[in-house]
Amino acid sequence: QKEVEQDPGPLSVPEGAIVSLNCTYSNSAFQYFMWYRQYSRKGPELLMYTYSSGNKEDGRFTAQVDKSSKYISLFIRDSQPSDSATYLCAMRDTGNQFYFGTGTSLTVIP
Amino acid sequence: EAGVVQSPRYKIIEKKQPVAFWCNPISGHNTLYWYRQNLGQGPELLIRYENEEAVDDSQLPKDRFSAERLKGVDSTLKIQPAELGDSAVYLCASSLGWSSGELFFGEGSRLTVL
Repeated sequence: QKEVEQDPGPLSVPEGAIVSLNCTYSNSAFQYFMWYRQYSRKGPELLMYTYSSGNKEDGRFTAQVDKSSKYISLFIRDSQPSDSATYLCAMRDTGNQFYFGTGTSLTVIP
Repeated sequence: EAGVVQSPRYKIIEKKQPVAFWCNPISGHNTLYWYRQNLGQGPELLIRYENEEAVDDSQLPKDRFSAERLKGVDSTLKIQPAELGDSAVYLCASSLGWSSGELFFGEGSRLTVL
């Protein structure tokens, strides 16, 4: 079993839709939780970063962490064609080591 | 502030040739990571440095891969000789270290081995 599981998609939604991206994990030692956006032929860009359970909002993006269920989510409101990318979830353990999901490919159709 | 800088962005070589990738992390970031990313996959760790010390290189194929981080700043990742299966994107990332969960990536170096 992988440390981090992420549905690879692909996910295709119409412009303006609400997008929900999810990851599950197995390691209780994970302390930090991140979402990255990766455009084709680019490096991953840090989108959201949270330390504890709960919600964190930044513009159209909301990151949600549920440590009791070992489940994290990223919500994108009013999705735009420019949101079309691969979204990677990532987690850091107590040993300063990061673990990544395989990424979910998202296409927002105008 | 400049982000993580990597070069070259693209490299095409014949198998058995050597190749080197260079990374300059964000200023002040003590921890530096080299990852390999295959198509449709997440980044996989090759080596992690805390300052100039390699603290996790268990996933680095040491028969052909080597890395160094002189003076705890820039880092170089080398492959010699390259094999067909080494074709991938090599990502460098840096963070402030133990006190931070924020990890910042460079644009990556895309290697094609023919």
